[in-house]
Amino acid sequence: DTAVSQTPKYLVTQMGNDKSIKCEQNLGHDTMYWYKQDSKKFLKIMFSYNNKELIINETVPNRFSPKSPDKAHLNLHINSLELGDSAVYFCASSRQTANEKLFFGSGTQLSVL
Amino acid sequence: AQSVAQPEDQVNVAEGNPLTVKCTYSVSGNPYLFWYVQYPNRGLQFLLKYITGDNLVKGSYGFEAEFNKSQTSFHLKKPSALVSDSALYFCVRDGGGKLIFGQGTELSVKP
Repeated sequence: DTAVSQTPKYLVTQMGNDKSIKCEQNLGHDTMYWYKQDSKKFLKIMFSYNNKELIINETVPNRFSPKSPDKAHLNLHINSLELGDSAVYFCASSRQTANEKLFFGSGTQLSVL
Repeated sequence: AQSVAQPEDQVNVAEGNPLTVKCTYSVSGNPYLFWYVQYPNRGLQFLLKYITGDNLVKGSYGFEAEFNKSQTSFHLKKPSALVSDSALYFCVRDGGGKLIFGQGTELSVKP
């Protein structure tokens, strides 16, 4: 059983489109995250939710909107996709805080053409 | 602001030799420090963490890391490298309720 699963694994789309990435964890964790990994492999947090509440919202454009319907799910919706959005997006979860072990999904490679 | 630095983009080691992946951290309070590993086309996996106490932390897959307060370093080590250790390694510290990642070091272990 995959602990943190995200879909799709690959997403190829045109500029201007809207797309969503879904994430689910079956670990019973309270906190979930979205990270972005750029082409140089640099990782940066985008959002963090604790029990469906937004805790961290880094300086991410408004076109990115996370949604957490329950504590096991954290989806990422992106409006009006731009070339610069091309990256690998990772979902992760932890029991409570980021100082605990994070479990990562396998990533969604987004390519905007 | 809190930060971590990994001075080497790439480390090359022969199988069976000891390996070290270097990391230094910004001085700010008592840091929580971590190492994560990313295998090709996969998500990150937790290796180990330092909170307080013993300066030598043991982790998964035979890795360990040494916390050195005077040098503000947290180097990752393994006594005998395996080809399967080839991956991207991230040194991470806490900062403002979130994790701050180093830029990563690509470890290549050749047979």
